[in-house]
Amino acid sequence: DADVTQTPRNRITKTGKRIMLECSQTKGHDRMYWYRQDPGLGLQLIYYSFDVKDINKGEISDGYSVSRQAQAKFSLSLESAIPNQTALYFCATSDPGRGTDTQYFGPGTRLTVL
Amino acid sequence: SQKIEQNSEALNIQEGKTATLTCNYTNYSPAYLQWYRQDPGRGPVFLLLIRENEKEKRKERLKVTFDTTLKQSLFHITASQPADSATYLCALFLGPGNTPLVFGKGTRLSVIA
Repeated sequence: DADVTQTPRNRITKTGKRIMLECSQTKGHDRMYWYRQDPGLGLQLIYYSFDVKDINKGEISDGYSVSRQAQAKFSLSLESAIPNQTALYFCATSDPGRGTDTQYFGPGTRLTVL
Repeated sequence: SQKIEQNSEALNIQEGKTATLTCNYTNYSPAYLQWYRQDPGRGPVFLLLIRENEKEKRKERLKVTFDTTLKQSLFHITASQPADSATYLCALFLGPGNTPLVFGKGTRLSVIA
């Protein structure tokens, strides 16, 4: 089984709808992240959480919110989806305990907002 | 803020040659650099890490160098194969604390048979 899973893998929605992307991990890592990726723009950090009680905004948090329900679960919500939020979304985890903070990514969710 | 530049959006090389990808950064010196591989539509996968006090790191056909004076890391793939075709991302870690990794935009490598 994959260590970092994302659901759904693909989603098509309409402008104005609220949607939630979910991320679960079995790696036991405290740190979790949400990124979006657009062609040619690389990874953009949306939100990150260094433990269950810690939530931080990334570089492009406007229009998004997150919830860290448990160490293993980190959800990303789009309260009112708009077409320019069409992108590939990745969840990632890391463990700073080894001193490297290497990130482990999920398979991604392809979101289309019509 | 930290800025990372991977100086080529795309790089085409012939099979069997050595591919060299560049990662330059500004401002603070990172505690270490990481390199990731990303295939189309998939999440990045960690490849190698090099610390600020290391000059070179190797793993099979991969080699990473780190020059803190030039503020540059080079990523080499020797005897390249079509299967090496992917996007390669560098990422900086500034050190212990509460700062996430900072990723570059990546270089798309195509190895032509």
